[in-house]
Amino acid sequence: GAGVSQSPRYKVAKRGQDVALRCDPISGHVSLFWYQQALGQGPEFLTYFQNEAQLDKSGLPSDRFFAERPEGSVSTLKIQRTQQEDSAVYLCASSIFDRDYTFGSGTRLTVV
Amino acid sequence: GESVGLHLPTLSVQEGDNSIINCAYSNSASDYFIWYKQESGKGPQFIIDIRSNMDKRQGQRVTVLLNKTVKHLSLQIAATQPGDSAVYFCAEIRGASGGSYIPTFGRGTSLIVHP
Repeated sequence: GAGVSQSPRYKVAKRGQDVALRCDPISGHVSLFWYQQALGQGPEFLTYFQNEAQLDKSGLPSDRFFAERPEGSVSTLKIQRTQQEDSAVYLCASSIFDRDYTFGSGTRLTVV
Repeated sequence: GESVGLHLPTLSVQEGDNSIINCAYSNSASDYFIWYKQESGKGPQFIIDIRSNMDKRQGQRVTVLLNKTVKHLSLQIAATQPGDSAVYFCAEIRGASGGSYIPTFGRGTSLIVHP
């Protein structure tokens, strides 16, 4: 597609529920990034893939967060047993190594 | 004028004025920087980038200045328009495993343009 696509755009989860957020990167983009953006803050790095390999997951806040990109294209960010502090916008970006970083519109997660 | 709010610094300007948004970065080893514009409900949108072997780069109505001595970036927007109202972030790109680079974002500045 023309850009990075994320779904769903909005997600409301009850505390304790598991959620899965999807990212479709730009075709041919090798690198894929997940960020968490709290209200009024800049995006905070979560994890990074190069093709199907997860090369950096230093930003994942707890072991409840898990990301995968099994075929080197679509990626899923899963959050288990959601907590209120997980409420944020989750952004996905893709790039060709060190150029053409492109962000999706994000998924707004609200945990109630 | 410029003020610091509870969350984001805010810059208010009149339409037609020039705007200057500042950013301090932390990693002296960073060699690539990007300015992003983020409108409400959207992801960050690329505006302009600059590599560390340059001091200045110009685009359409925008100029980025890089001062490596004091680790400071600025984004200048000429003839600011109401459509420029958004939050602006600078991102420094740090090297990561596998030869790729990870954007690390600053705090952001909210630009408000009054007609």
